[in-house]
Amino acid sequence: AQSVAQPEDQVNVAEGNPLTVKCTYSVSGNPYLFWYVQYPNRGLQFLLKYITGDNLVKGSYGFEAEFNKSQTSFHLKKPSALVSDSALYFCAVRDAESGGGADGLTFGKGTHLIIQP
Amino acid sequence: DSGVTQTPKHLITATGQRVTLRCSPRSGDLSVYWYQQSLDQGLQFLIQYYNGEERAKGNILERFSAQQFPDLHSELNLSSLELGDSALYFCASRTGYGYTFGSGTRLTVV
Repeated sequence: AQSVAQPEDQVNVAEGNPLTVKCTYSVSGNPYLFWYVQYPNRGLQFLLKYITGDNLVKGSYGFEAEFNKSQTSFHLKKPSALVSDSALYFCAVRDAESGGGADGLTFGKGTHLIIQP
Repeated sequence: DSGVTQTPKHLITATGQRVTLRCSPRSGDLSVYWYQQSLDQGLQFLIQYYNGEERAKGNILERFSAQQFPDLHSELNLSSLELGDSALYFCASRTGYGYTFGSGTRLTVV
């Protein structure tokens, strides 16, 4: 079974400071990893994904994430936070070796990111 | 517009009733995934269809069922509704490694 843990329900950061939203995962095979963002009363918007290759992945709106296989982590980062980054962030995983065509994503519980002016 | 269309956007219904949520995937996508988002459970995977066939089941209640039609749109049927079924229901479709989500249907059971 695959699972994702986002240990922080909420992260508070001052505008202009760097931000990190933590994510750890568990899969039996190799992971495909994703970050999505949800603004109030909106759907999930894709930020970035790791499939293979370079461990540092760059995505939308200046976000990036680093895949760390030994720590089974995929933390989301941004060098300088904006107030408009305030939203709910979800980390998700899929086992690359998922069998039978069952390839849905498993999500963490989400982390509320609050950027203070 | 993500390309994944969900209707209706909002639905208010009474306990015990039955509702149908509809999802049209992105053009050409064969897979459809349904998720339930509630305050206490987060985003829970419900069920996956691929080209009309069920591929995987997650935490889907027996009162819930789904199907995918030949034109690839999917419907999620929720019956004998309870207050606890109030949630945001998302569908997604997949192209390669990319999963695209619709804007969701907010179901309120009163």
